[in-house]
Amino acid sequence: AQSVTQLGSHVSVSEGALVLLRCNYSSSVPPYLFWYVQYPNQGLQLLLKYTTGATLVKGINGFEAEFKKSETSFHLTKPSAHMSDAAEYFCAVTTNTGGFKTIFGAGTRLFVKA
Amino acid sequence: KAGVTQTPRYLIKTRGQQVTLSCSPISGHRSVSWYQQTPGQGLQFLFEYFSETQRNKGNFPGRFSGRQFSNSRSEMNVSTLELGDSALYLCASSLLNIQYFGAGTRLSVL
Repeated sequence: AQSVTQLGSHVSVSEGALVLLRCNYSSSVPPYLFWYVQYPNQGLQLLLKYTTGATLVKGINGFEAEFKKSETSFHLTKPSAHMSDAAEYFCAVTTNTGGFKTIFGAGTRLFVKA
Repeated sequence: KAGVTQTPRYLIKTRGQQVTLSCSPISGHRSVSWYQQTPGQGLQFLFEYFSETQRNKGNFPGRFSGRQFSNSRSEMNVSTLELGDSALYLCASSLLNIQYFGAGTRLSVL
């Protein structure tokens, strides 16, 4: 069975500071890993994905994440926070064993201070 | 290319009623998944359909059901609504393991 743990339900950073959102997962089969962002009253928007290949993946809006199999982690980073980054972020793991099943983390709400 | 379309966006029902939510996937996507999002439970997987067949199901009671049509459009039905069913219901269509989400239907049960 797979699971996703996001450390910190709330993270607050200053504008221009590093953003680091943590995600650890467990999966009995090779997972596909994703980060999504959700703005108020909207659906989820895909930020970036890891399926196979390069372990450092770049996404939209300057975000990137590194897949570390030995640490079962997929942390999301952005060098310099912008006010528009304030939103809720979800880490997700998808497995395909006769059908897709995705498990989401509980989410991390990012606050950006001016 | 049009995105995932969910209708209606907002819905108010009373306890005991039933409701049907609709999802039109991105053209060419044959897999459709449904999720329930609540402040307390977060995002929970309901079920996934592919080519009109349910392939995966989450841990929800039988009051929650779904179906998929030959054009890949999907509907989700909840019968005998309870207050706890108030949530944002999200639909996602998939291609090559990547899910694309609609804006959701916010259901309020009074």
